[in-house]
Amino acid sequence: DTGVSQDPRHKITKRGQNVTFRCDPISEHNRLYWYRQTLGQGPEFLTYFQNEAQLEKSRLLSDRFSAERPKGSFSTLEIQRTEQGDSAMYLCASSSTAGVAKNIQYFGAGTRLSVL
Amino acid sequence: GQSLEQPSEVTAVEGAIVQINCTYQTSGFYGLSWYQQHDGGAPTFLSYNALDGLEETGRFSSFLSRSDSYGYLLLQELQMKDSASYFCAVRAMDSSYKLIFGSGTRLLVRP
Repeated sequence: DTGVSQDPRHKITKRGQNVTFRCDPISEHNRLYWYRQTLGQGPEFLTYFQNEAQLEKSRLLSDRFSAERPKGSFSTLEIQRTEQGDSAMYLCASSSTAGVAKNIQYFGAGTRLSVL
Repeated sequence: GQSLEQPSEVTAVEGAIVQINCTYQTSGFYGLSWYQQHDGGAPTFLSYNALDGLEETGRFSSFLSRSDSYGYLLLQELQMKDSASYFCAVRAMDSSYKLIFGSGTRLLVRP
């Protein structure tokens, strides 16, 4: 169990550019979540996958955002035409669906995005 | 809608006991969780209360009262490494199990 890993840890981009982040969840976890966190706030839910199916998207996820989990393992989050308001920490979390463990989400250390 | 309120900052002395409160307004939820986050780090799970009452895990305890829409995290024998942000979160009442977080409490432990 190597935990949830996210890549890159930091991304600096210019407004209008596209960026893509990757998340590798804990291998046996079939639920995967993306959250966004701004300074001094708690994480806010963006979207959720069960296996390869994207089952829910928050209203926070505008048309410029897209997420995939093609084989039910790693996931990518892409932001097109970035805006300064997209600057935040993007967190990925995974969880099991079995027993009490389904109530625990394991988070990666996040990708910090800065849009200049 | 759902909202969770926590004090923004708490300061305590090493070795002391501190309680971090969480009050919530929600139409329903499955349980209350607590997560710890050090600066620049990942949120890490501390505890989960599915039912009213006290859950104890080592130096940390968590309490839930649904009738009072209130919960708290109790940290005993504070250590310097406990300086971090602490978030309460409710698990949404749908099949996603997504978490809705409070804005967090920054705990500063002084020597």
